[in-house]
Amino acid sequence: EVQLVESGGGLVQPGVSLRLSCAASGFTFSSYWMTWVRQAPGKGLEWVANIKQDGSEKYYVGSVNGRFTISRDNAKSSLYLQMNSLRAEDTAVYYCARGISSPDYWGQGTLVTVSS
Amino acid sequence: QSVLTQPPSASGTPGQGVTISCSGSSSNIGGNTVSWYLQLPGTAPKLLIYSNNQRPSGVSDRFSGSKSGTSASLAISGLQSEDEADYYCAAWDDSLNGPVFGGGTKLTVL
Repeated sequence: EVQLVESGGGLVQPGVSLRLSCAASGFTFSSYWMTWVRQAPGKGLEWVANIKQDGSEKYYVGSVNGRFTISRDNAKSSLYLQMNSLRAEDTAVYYCARGISSPDYWGQGTLVTVSS
Repeated sequence: QSVLTQPPSASGTPGQGVTISCSGSSSNIGGNTVSWYLQLPGTAPKLLIYSNNQRPSGVSDRFSGSKSGTSASLAISGLQSEDEADYYCAAWDDSLNGPVFGGGTKLTVL
Protein backbone atom coordinates (compact mmCIF):
# COMPACT_ATOMS: atom_id res chain seq x y z
CA GLU A 1 0.00 0.00 0.00
CA VAL A 2 1.36 3.38 -1.02
CA GLN A 3 1.79 5.70 1.95
CA LEU A 4 3.10 9.24 2.22
CA VAL A 5 3.43 10.73 5.68
CA GLU A 6 4.38 14.37 6.14
CA SER A 7 5.83 15.86 9.30
CA GLY A 8 7.57 18.99 10.52
CA GLY A 9 4.79 21.54 10.38
CA GLY A 10 3.99 23.94 13.19
CA LEU A 11 3.50 27.53 14.30
CA VAL A 12 6.44 29.78 13.52
CA GLN A 13 7.15 33.50 13.40
CA PRO A 14 7.73 35.37 10.15
CA GLY A 15 11.28 35.19 8.90
CA VAL A 16 12.23 31.88 10.47
CA SER A 17 12.94 28.54 8.81
CA LEU A 18 11.19 25.19 8.87
CA ARG A 19 11.95 21.83 7.29
CA LEU A 20 9.17 19.51 6.21
CA SER A 21 9.68 15.80 5.67
CA CYS A 22 7.68 13.20 3.81
CA ALA A 23 8.27 9.51 4.45
CA ALA A 24 7.27 7.28 1.56
CA SER A 25 6.53 3.56 1.61
CA GLY A 26 4.79 0.92 -0.49
CA PHE A 27 6.45 1.83 -3.79
CA THR A 28 9.89 2.31 -5.33
CA PHE A 29 10.48 5.90 -4.25
CA SER A 30 13.53 6.38 -6.47
CA SER A 31 11.44 5.73 -9.60
CA TYR A 32 9.14 8.72 -9.24
CA TRP A 33 9.19 12.47 -9.55
CA MET A 34 7.84 13.92 -6.31
CA THR A 35 5.85 17.08 -5.70
CA TRP A 36 4.92 19.44 -2.87
CA VAL A 37 1.50 21.11 -3.07
CA ARG A 38 0.04 23.50 -0.52
CA GLN A 39 -3.42 24.69 0.40
CA ALA A 40 -3.99 27.89 2.34
CA PRO A 41 -6.91 27.82 4.80
CA GLY A 42 -10.18 27.86 2.87
CA LYS A 43 -8.36 28.20 -0.45
CA GLY A 44 -7.48 26.03 -3.43
CA LEU A 45 -4.46 23.91 -4.25
CA GLU A 46 -1.15 25.47 -5.27
CA TRP A 47 1.86 23.62 -6.63
CA VAL A 48 5.03 24.51 -4.71
CA ALA A 49 7.92 22.44 -6.05
CA ASN A 50 8.87 19.19 -7.70
CA ILE A 51 12.01 17.10 -8.01
CA LYS A 52 13.22 14.49 -10.48
CA GLN A 53 13.94 10.91 -9.50
CA ASP A 54 17.67 11.47 -9.03
CA GLY A 55 17.34 15.04 -7.73
CA SER A 56 19.02 16.49 -10.82
CA GLU A 57 16.06 18.70 -11.75
CA LYS A 58 14.03 20.87 -9.41
CA TYR A 59 11.34 23.42 -10.16
CA TYR A 60 9.55 25.95 -7.97
CA VAL A 61 6.56 28.23 -8.14
CA GLY A 62 7.70 31.83 -8.42
CA SER A 63 6.51 32.92 -4.97
CA VAL A 64 8.87 30.51 -3.18
CA ASN A 65 11.81 30.51 -5.59
CA GLY A 66 14.97 31.40 -3.69
CA ARG A 67 13.37 30.77 -0.28
CA PHE A 68 12.34 27.10 -0.46
CA THR A 69 14.52 24.12 -1.40
CA ILE A 70 13.17 20.71 -2.33
CA SER A 71 15.40 17.67 -1.84
CA ARG A 72 15.18 13.93 -1.48
CA ASP A 73 17.05 10.97 -0.01
CA ASN A 74 16.27 7.90 -2.06
CA ALA A 75 18.10 5.63 0.39
CA LYS A 76 15.64 6.73 3.07
CA SER A 77 12.62 7.04 0.72
CA SER A 78 12.16 10.55 1.98
CA LEU A 79 11.26 13.91 0.48
CA TYR A 80 12.06 17.24 2.09
CA LEU A 81 11.11 20.89 1.81
CA GLN A 82 13.42 23.41 3.45
CA MET A 83 11.50 26.64 3.91
CA ASN A 84 13.43 29.80 4.75
CA SER A 85 12.32 33.39 5.33
CA LEU A 86 8.77 32.28 5.96
CA ARG A 87 5.97 34.76 5.38
CA ALA A 88 2.37 34.94 6.56
CA GLU A 89 1.26 34.02 3.05
CA ASP A 90 3.09 30.69 3.33
CA THR A 91 0.52 29.57 5.91
CA ALA A 92 -1.03 26.41 4.50
CA VAL A 93 -1.37 22.67 4.71
CA TYR A 94 1.58 21.21 2.81
CA TYR A 95 1.06 17.93 0.97
CA CYS A 96 3.67 15.71 -0.58
CA ALA A 97 2.47 13.80 -3.62
CA ARG A 98 3.78 11.12 -5.96
CA GLY A 99 4.23 12.07 -9.57
CA ILE A 100 4.55 15.29 -11.44
CA SER A 101 1.74 16.17 -13.86
CA SER A 102 -1.16 14.36 -12.19
CA PRO A 103 0.05 13.24 -8.75
CA ASP A 104 -1.76 10.03 -7.89
CA TYR A 105 -1.05 9.55 -4.19
CA TRP A 106 -1.02 12.30 -1.58
CA GLY A 107 -0.08 12.39 2.07
CA GLN A 108 -2.43 13.66 4.75
CA GLY A 109 -0.64 16.99 4.90
CA THR A 110 1.14 18.99 7.58
CA LEU A 111 0.00 22.43 8.69
CA VAL A 112 2.41 25.33 8.64
CA THR A 113 1.23 28.51 10.34
CA VAL A 114 3.35 31.65 10.04
CA SER A 115 2.26 34.27 12.52
CA SER A 116 3.71 36.65 15.07
CA GLN B 1 -6.21 33.87 -8.58
CA SER B 2 -5.92 30.34 -9.94
CA VAL B 3 -4.43 29.67 -13.38
CA LEU B 4 -7.30 27.39 -14.38
CA THR B 5 -10.87 28.69 -14.13
CA GLN B 6 -13.67 26.68 -12.54
CA PRO B 7 -17.13 27.73 -11.36
CA PRO B 8 -17.04 28.17 -7.57
CA SER B 9 -20.16 26.07 -7.04
CA ALA B 10 -22.39 23.46 -8.62
CA SER B 11 -25.40 21.55 -7.40
CA GLY B 12 -27.79 18.76 -8.26
CA THR B 13 -30.31 16.42 -6.74
CA PRO B 14 -29.72 12.73 -6.02
CA GLY B 15 -29.80 10.68 -9.21
CA GLN B 16 -29.21 13.67 -11.46
CA GLY B 17 -26.09 14.41 -13.48
CA VAL B 18 -23.84 17.45 -13.16
CA THR B 19 -20.93 18.82 -15.19
CA ILE B 20 -18.07 20.95 -13.90
CA SER B 21 -16.04 23.00 -16.38
CA CYS B 22 -12.38 23.98 -16.35
CA SER B 23 -10.83 26.58 -18.62
CA GLY B 24 -7.16 27.21 -19.26
CA SER B 25 -4.76 28.26 -21.97
CA SER B 26 -2.44 26.88 -24.61
CA SER B 27 0.43 26.49 -22.12
CA ASN B 28 -1.54 24.15 -19.88
CA ILE B 29 -4.80 22.47 -20.94
CA GLY B 30 -4.26 23.27 -24.61
CA GLY B 31 -1.03 21.30 -24.79
CA ASN B 32 -1.24 18.80 -21.96
CA THR B 33 -3.60 16.33 -20.34
CA VAL B 34 -6.07 17.21 -17.60
CA SER B 35 -6.66 15.53 -14.29
CA TRP B 36 -9.42 15.93 -11.73
CA TYR B 37 -9.34 15.61 -7.94
CA LEU B 38 -12.00 15.23 -5.29
CA GLN B 39 -11.40 16.63 -1.82
CA LEU B 40 -13.59 15.97 1.18
CA PRO B 41 -13.34 18.41 4.11
CA GLY B 42 -10.20 17.91 6.14
CA THR B 43 -8.75 15.27 3.84
CA ALA B 44 -6.15 15.10 1.10
CA PRO B 45 -7.15 15.37 -2.57
CA LYS B 46 -7.97 12.10 -4.29
CA LEU B 47 -7.24 11.51 -7.98
CA LEU B 48 -10.48 10.93 -9.91
CA ILE B 49 -9.46 11.34 -13.55
CA TYR B 50 -6.06 11.48 -15.29
CA SER B 51 -5.03 11.83 -18.92
CA ASN B 52 -8.29 13.68 -19.65
CA ASN B 53 -10.60 10.70 -19.32
CA GLN B 54 -8.90 7.81 -17.53
CA ARG B 55 -10.10 6.57 -14.15
CA PRO B 56 -7.69 5.10 -11.60
CA SER B 57 -8.57 1.69 -10.30
CA GLY B 58 -11.40 1.88 -7.79
CA VAL B 59 -12.96 5.12 -9.06
CA SER B 60 -16.61 4.78 -9.97
CA ASP B 61 -17.59 4.92 -13.64
CA ARG B 62 -20.12 7.58 -12.66
CA PHE B 63 -17.19 9.97 -13.06
CA SER B 64 -16.01 10.83 -16.56
CA GLY B 65 -13.74 13.47 -18.04
CA SER B 66 -13.33 15.14 -21.39
CA LYS B 67 -11.17 17.81 -22.98
CA SER B 68 -11.54 20.05 -26.00
CA GLY B 69 -9.01 22.69 -26.92
CA THR B 70 -8.20 24.73 -23.82
CA SER B 71 -11.18 23.53 -21.80
CA ALA B 72 -12.09 20.38 -19.92
CA SER B 73 -15.10 18.99 -18.13
CA LEU B 74 -15.87 16.53 -15.36
CA ALA B 75 -19.24 14.82 -15.56
CA ILE B 76 -20.82 13.05 -12.62
CA SER B 77 -23.86 10.90 -13.24
CA GLY B 78 -26.31 9.46 -10.74
CA LEU B 79 -25.43 11.97 -8.02
CA GLN B 80 -25.12 10.57 -4.51
CA SER B 81 -24.90 12.40 -1.21
CA GLU B 82 -21.31 11.23 -0.77
CA ASP B 83 -20.34 13.09 -3.96
CA GLU B 84 -20.68 16.34 -2.01
CA ALA B 85 -17.11 17.66 -2.01
CA ASP B 86 -14.71 20.11 -3.61
CA TYR B 87 -13.51 19.24 -7.12
CA TYR B 88 -10.29 20.54 -8.66
CA CYS B 89 -8.99 20.35 -12.20
CA ALA B 90 -5.26 20.32 -12.90
CA ALA B 91 -2.92 20.34 -15.87
CA TRP B 92 0.79 20.60 -16.48
CA ASP B 93 1.90 24.10 -17.41
CA ASP B 94 4.80 24.30 -19.85
CA SER B 95 5.79 27.80 -18.76
CA LEU B 96 6.01 26.89 -15.06
CA ASN B 97 7.41 23.34 -15.23
CA GLY B 98 4.76 22.37 -12.74
CA PRO B 99 1.06 21.56 -12.49
CA VAL B 100 -1.53 24.29 -12.21
CA PHE B 101 -4.89 23.90 -10.52
CA GLY B 102 -8.34 25.36 -10.82
CA GLY B 103 -9.78 27.27 -7.89
CA GLY B 104 -12.09 24.40 -7.04
CA THR B 105 -15.82 23.79 -7.40
CA LYS B 106 -17.91 23.03 -4.35
CA LEU B 107 -20.54 20.46 -5.30
CA THR B 108 -23.72 20.41 -3.24
CA VAL B 109 -26.14 17.51 -3.47
CA LEU B 110 -29.52 19.01 -2.63
